[in-house]
This record gives sequence, C-alpha cells and structure tokens, in this order.
Amino acid sequence: AQTVTQSQPEMSVQEAETVTLSCTYDTSESDYYLFWYKQPPSRQMILVIRQEAYKQQNATENRFSVNFQKAAKSFSLKISDSQLGDAAMYFCAYRRGYGGSQGNLIFGKGTKLSVKP
Amino acid sequence: SQTIHQWPATLVQPVGSPLSLECTVEGTSNPNLYWYRQAAGRGLQLLFYSVGIGQISSEVPQNLSASRPQDRQFILSSKKLLLSDSGFYLCAWSNGASPTQYFGPGTRLTVL
Repeated sequence: AQTVTQSQPEMSVQEAETVTLSCTYDTSESDYYLFWYKQPPSRQMILVIRQEAYKQQNATENRFSVNFQKAAKSFSLKISDSQLGDAAMYFCAYRRGYGGSQGNLIFGKGTKLSVKP
Repeated sequence: SQTIHQWPATLVQPVGSPLSLECTVEGTSNPNLYWYRQAAGRGLQLLFYSVGIGQISSEVPQNLSASRPQDRQFILSSKKLLLSDSGFYLCAWSNGASPTQYFGPGTRLTVL
C-alpha cells in the first residue's frame, strides 16, 4: 500500500525568508500524482501545487515550488519570501494515476508552519 | 466557477443520536464526490466516494453511511453516533478529467 510521510511535525520561518517542507512517499507504481495542500486555521484544505510523476520538470506556482525526486520518492515544498498568511498546516498527498475516480488521495500527517514577523 | 458548500459548519450531538451532513457542489456536472474525516492532530482519512447518483463506495467500515440523491449532493449519515465519530468532516469534489480534488469548508462534529 502507498504511504506518505512528513517527518517534520512543526517548522518555523522568518517573514520574507525561504523554508522547505519535506515529504517522502512509498509506492510501487510509476504513474501517480503528488500534491501539497494548505490548511489554515479556518481548516479548509486549499490546493497549493500539483506534480505529475511523468513530468521531469518541477512544478511552480508563484512563491511555491517543489523539488520532485522520483527515484528517491521525495517531494519537498519550497516557500519563498514567506508571508504571515503562509502560516498553516501543510499536507503532502499522493494519488495513483490510473483508476479514474478510484485514485483517492492518501495524506501525510502534516507539518505545522509558523511564520515569525 | 465551481464552489462547494457544506453544512452545518459546526455540530454538537449526544452519543446515540442520528447524524446528517450535507455537501453540495455548484458550477459543474457529474462530479466525483468524496467524504473525508480528520481526527485531531492527524491527516485525512477517506470515508466514502461516489462517481454518480446512487453509486457509493466505502473505504472504511464504520457506523457511517453516505448517499448521493442528486448529481451534486452528497450526504453523510449515521443512525447512532459514537464518541469516536467526533472530528472534522471534509467533502471534496473532482471531475473525471482531472486528478485534483477540491475541498469544502468542512463540518466540525463533536459527539458528547
């Protein structure tokens, strides 16, 4: 079975600095998707970024980028120029690439990010 | 654009009482729908998913059930709540062409 591990329960970053959140996963499949979701105090899960396993290029969304290392099964999230609004729980998630709607998300336990002014 | 609604936002229920949580999606048709539960300090666990009206798949055996009476409506129910049912319940949707799931605002359920 697929598993997702986030080894950093909590992280802290100074405003305007850069922080990297780690995620590793275990799968025997070659086709899959990886996601980072943000959960602010309101608790609504917000999509931050998505990576397709077949793409070698790392995904980027404004200040958010990933370092996808397929062979190492590593998927880290880099937040540049951190802002106070980035403070939240961040979840890494895996979804297999086949099976249509049955490719459900498997989540890590999350990393709580604090941003210091 | 698509939006997803959940209600109620907060619910406090006694043990043994029934439960009904509702999720609706606007701006899309024939979405895939999902119910997740997030226990305190933990990640999300998939409970049910649906690919169409009346089609429900269960991922975790428990005293909860789900129904999809309309294309964009997904309901989570229980006949008798347990203390262990407390948690944060999130509904999500996706369309058949994309693997991405989008989440609703959630319902905080406390069973006393």
